[in-house]
Amino acid sequence: DQQVKQNSPSLSVQEGRISILNCDYTNSMFDYFLWYKKYPAEGPTFLISISSIKDKNEDGRFTVFLNKSAKHLSLHIVPSQPGDSAVYFCAASGKAAGNKLTFGGGTRVLVKP
Amino acid sequence: GAVVSQHPSRVICKSGTSVKIECRSLDFQATTMFWYRQFPKQSLMLMATSNEGSKATYEQGVEKDKFLINHASLTLSTLTVTSAHPEDSSFYICSARVMTDTQYFGPGTRLTVL
Repeated sequence: DQQVKQNSPSLSVQEGRISILNCDYTNSMFDYFLWYKKYPAEGPTFLISISSIKDKNEDGRFTVFLNKSAKHLSLHIVPSQPGDSAVYFCAASGKAAGNKLTFGGGTRVLVKP
Repeated sequence: GAVVSQHPSRVICKSGTSVKIECRSLDFQATTMFWYRQFPKQSLMLMATSNEGSKATYEQGVEKDKFLINHASLTLSTLTVTSAHPEDSSFYICSARVMTDTQYFGPGTRLTVL
């Protein structure tokens, strides 16, 4: 049973526009959420995180929104740049889960110049 | 962010040999490190949690005698794939956790077993 799901396997967006990536989770014990960016044959790079006590966290072009009641989080990238083309993973953790990360399946983003 | 290195980045070995992969936290101490495996076009699969000074905790379905983990210091964890076979060919990634629950990942090691 997938506890963290990214229902869109891919996303294509024009340079300069907003990229919106979505992630849903089922385990209500998760209390910390992260987004990672990954290029092929490289390790994931940490982008931004959010604690369950917040509903929004912003860092430069990246903003993460958390809707606890809907068990949904999203990552907004604006403006999108060609270098943002990569696979994005959301992840969740919680003390009840031993603070281990549970990853979604990933969304491949292509930013067209 | 914190820097995690892995060595080697790529290794090719013959079936039946053992391969050791090192994971180092370069600018911080990590009491907990994690080892993941990624199959092509799939997400990361947690293999085990490596705790400094104690035995690793393996996820269900991961053979502890096959994948030996040693976390001898606060900056180094090693994964040894013993008696490797072609089905062990994969991309192995380690991570280290800082004081929050954020994990920082190494660049990964591509293992090919012939």
